[in-house]
Amino acid sequence: NAGVMQNPRHLVRRRGQEARLRCSPMKGHSHVYWYRQLPEEGLKFMVYLQKENIIDESGMPKERFSAEFPKEGPSILRIQQVVRGDSAAYFCASSSTATRNTIYFGEGSWLTVV
Amino acid sequence: DQQVKQNSPSLSVQEGRISILNCDYTNSMFDYFLWYKKYPAEGPTFLISISSIKDKNEDGRFTVFLNKSAKHLSLHIVPSQPGDSAVYFCAASGGSTGGGADGLTFGKGTHLIIQP
Repeated sequence: NAGVMQNPRHLVRRRGQEARLRCSPMKGHSHVYWYRQLPEEGLKFMVYLQKENIIDESGMPKERFSAEFPKEGPSILRIQQVVRGDSAAYFCASSSTATRNTIYFGEGSWLTVV
Repeated sequence: DQQVKQNSPSLSVQEGRISILNCDYTNSMFDYFLWYKKYPAEGPTFLISISSIKDKNEDGRFTVFLNKSAKHLSLHIVPSQPGDSAVYFCAASGGSTGGGADGLTFGKGTHLIIQP
């Protein structure tokens, strides 16, 4: 299965800890997106990255959240000093230039902050 | 400011009948529209898309209609099957071409329930 791979699927963190979510895009895809889905809400765009570059981070909270997509390895969404309001499903998606704006999602990472 | 709106949080349809899911948008720069289907605890799955140069796109049981003047699109599923029960998200993008520099703007979703 060469789909978008996310891990961990489920993550529990105490308030104040750090959460790291990983995403490996589909084979041949060089564009990565992170979306967040809060309970009872739709999917909210967070950030769009290409290798070693953040293209659009207009949806990222100004503090505690960061994302990277290094030359080697998966994309990482990092949340520092987590709070209860960070509890959500975080979805990674990827696309290639050939697929234009059709992005393909991973299974998601469910973060629970206790 | 919601640029993509799905005004029906849920829709119940009898098996075998037609399901019609609606979506409205406000941004006239949007030129590419997609529908995704999502089951609980899974990621969204791409279903069908349409470019603004078209007004209809069909793929098997799924047809998407676009009315640019009304800034409205709809997804028709016929005949509806039990496995179609899921949340359906409408999404839109606009501006540049290429690998998705715009990202996608999603609606809040419509929960479709197919009744036997």
